[in-house]
Amino acid sequence: DIQMTQSPSSLSASVGDRVTITCRASQGITNYLAWFQQKPGKVPKLLIYAASTLQSGVPSRFSGSGSGTDFTLTISSLQPEDVATYYCQKYDDAPRTFGQGTRLEIK
Amino acid sequence: QVQLVQSEIEVKQPGASVKVSCKVSGYTFTDYYMHWVRQAPGQGLEWMGWINPKSGGTKYAQKFQGGVTMTRDTSISTAYMELSRLTSDDTAVYYCARGSRVAGIRFPSDYWGQGTLVTVSS
Repeated sequence: DIQMTQSPSSLSASVGDRVTITCRASQGITNYLAWFQQKPGKVPKLLIYAASTLQSGVPSRFSGSGSGTDFTLTISSLQPEDVATYYCQKYDDAPRTFGQGTRLEIK
Repeated sequence: QVQLVQSEIEVKQPGASVKVSCKVSGYTFTDYYMHWVRQAPGQGLEWMGWINPKSGGTKYAQKFQGGVTMTRDTSISTAYMELSRLTSDDTAVYYCARGSRVAGIRFPSDYWGQGTLVTVSS
């Protein structure tokens, strides 16, 4: 099975900072990569699909890039409401493995 | 609007089984795959498998093969996930999540149920 590895596992940044989270697949998945945001005690929310397409209603400060094995989620200007854990997930085929998550906090 | 409403909290003893339901509304149940994802306390998301509500076909993560059964009742637009031989490691929140359109392009889960906490304890 393809493994998904995120880095870092946690990070702390200041409001207004540019934040980048990476996700690496152990084999190529073309662009079948999604990013989810999960706030404490809440249900995961789809942010980005097809590696770079913003889901409807998601703020434009979120963006995604990458193809093949290496992917990036970027928040251009961190806001207090972005405190959450972020997960990547491959959906090219089963199993739809998630990355281990990146916990994002405000400094 | 699309809604996935799951059954309530379950407390089970080790060795027992649990069956979680997920009733959908706002779309045609048989048009989209249904996935199940779990999250142990303080841990990440773990994909368990999917069911094709139209055909009843299933695909399970290797870890859950032989222990999980996903079914559906199309007459009431409800999907079920049954987990058997429970251990304390199965204590988690279990989510149902809508997937790709059946026979459509691949798509991640855009709508999720509210989650069902299953606690396994003697």
